[in-house]
Amino acid sequence: QSALTQPASVSGSPGQSITISCTGTSSDVGGYNYVSWYQQHPGKAPKLMIYDVSNRPSGVSNRFSGSKSGNTASLTISGLQAEDEADYYCSSYTSSSTPVFGGGTKLTVL
Amino acid sequence: EVQLVESGGGLVKPGGSLRLSCAASGFTFSSYSMNWVRQAPGKGLEWVSSISSSSSYIYYADSVKGRFTISRDNAKNSLYLQMNSLRAEDTAVYYCAAREGYSYGYWGQGTLVTVSS
Repeated sequence: QSALTQPASVSGSPGQSITISCTGTSSDVGGYNYVSWYQQHPGKAPKLMIYDVSNRPSGVSNRFSGSKSGNTASLTISGLQAEDEADYYCSSYTSSSTPVFGGGTKLTVL
Repeated sequence: EVQLVESGGGLVKPGGSLRLSCAASGFTFSSYSMNWVRQAPGKGLEWVSSISSSSSYIYYADSVKGRFTISRDNAKNSLYLQMNSLRAEDTAVYYCAAREGYSYGYWGQGTLVTVSS
């Protein structure tokens, strides 16, 4: 199973909005509404930010939102804050009954 | 408070073996599918293996199939990963993660495995 495709990096200024894309195939992203997003700060474990395409776990800011169109899922962060600077990974369930992760996107808050 | 605590990492020579453990607390371990996810230095996340709540279903990434074995002991709230025939490319931080639905809500802090001569 090939990794999902994410941009290597994105950046934005405080208060702005950014969107990170995650492109797969009909065997993963496009075939199931089971895309999740994870935030990882340096030296820390990943943290679940979005599950099942667009749902936020309890405690996650409503500045984080997710969506999907066809084989591409997206994570949008609005009202960027310095603490949002981190690596972000998407993940999808696949037709092999296993998960696949994206390559990761480094978010820089300018 | 949910806790997942990995242990067993370290330095091992190519071809060697290592057994990782993950001790769970603060949630009903026996109800969750458990997974190992690894992250090579400076690289992204890679799913390694998963085991269903009752150990009925087990899956491995192609990169570790035939070399790694996942297991669990629900009575001890513990997850294991037996790693044999280790290669340099297995060098990574190994995380255990609990799956809820189709996402990973609980993660451990990770244990570093270094394969080097």
